[in-house]
Amino acid sequence: AQKITQTQPGMFVQEKEAVTLDCTYDTSDPSYGLFWYKQPSSGEMIFLIYQGSYDQQNATEGRYSLNFQKARKSANLVISASQLGDSAMYFCAMREVLAGNQFYFGTGTSLTVIP
Amino acid sequence: ETGVTQTPRHLVMGMTNKKSLKCEQHLGHNAMYWYKQSAKKPLELMFVYSLEERVENNSVPSRFSPECPNSSHLFLHLHTLQPEDSALYLCASSRGRGQDTGELFFGEGSRLTVL
Repeated sequence: AQKITQTQPGMFVQEKEAVTLDCTYDTSDPSYGLFWYKQPSSGEMIFLIYQGSYDQQNATEGRYSLNFQKARKSANLVISASQLGDSAMYFCAMREVLAGNQFYFGTGTSLTVIP
Repeated sequence: ETGVTQTPRHLVMGMTNKKSLKCEQHLGHNAMYWYKQSAKKPLELMFVYSLEERVENNSVPSRFSPECPNSSHLFLHLHTLQPEDSALYLCASSRGRGQDTGELFFGEGSRLTVL
């Protein structure tokens, strides 16, 4: 089974609107971390936001928030007030602590912001 | 100076060539990684170095040979590659491999094309 599943290969959003990118994960490790990365066309993977498995509150970083639903094993990324510069690939990732801090990545979602 | 720097950004090589990819991190991290990114596939972990020792090798063919002379530099030596090895090769670093390694910091990648 895949560790990280991103079911949306491509998404479109109007500028200034909010968008949610889906991510579900699969782990039996009680201690894990969830990450979102942005990859623009330049290639660099840019860290956006982190959620620890024991964190009670959803993580937020500026316009990014992570909708963490532990029982459903989902970690959706919400981008508010989309900007043209948000157009990029977005990858969800998980780190399992007991597995030696191994990182697992999803296949990504391509987001296009429409002016 | 960016955190993780990769050179060259683009490389085209024939199947009989020998070339190397270079990665340098200026973050004082102890762990460095090579990932392979192919279209529509999750990032594939190739090698992990922690404190200059190789701690992980994910069944990568011997035509890929990593080298980590110190904690700031990581190389990927390439020889007799196949066309299916064409991909974006991403270098990353993190604080360590133990608890609380934090996020991965990535370079911009080296786009490799094998003819």
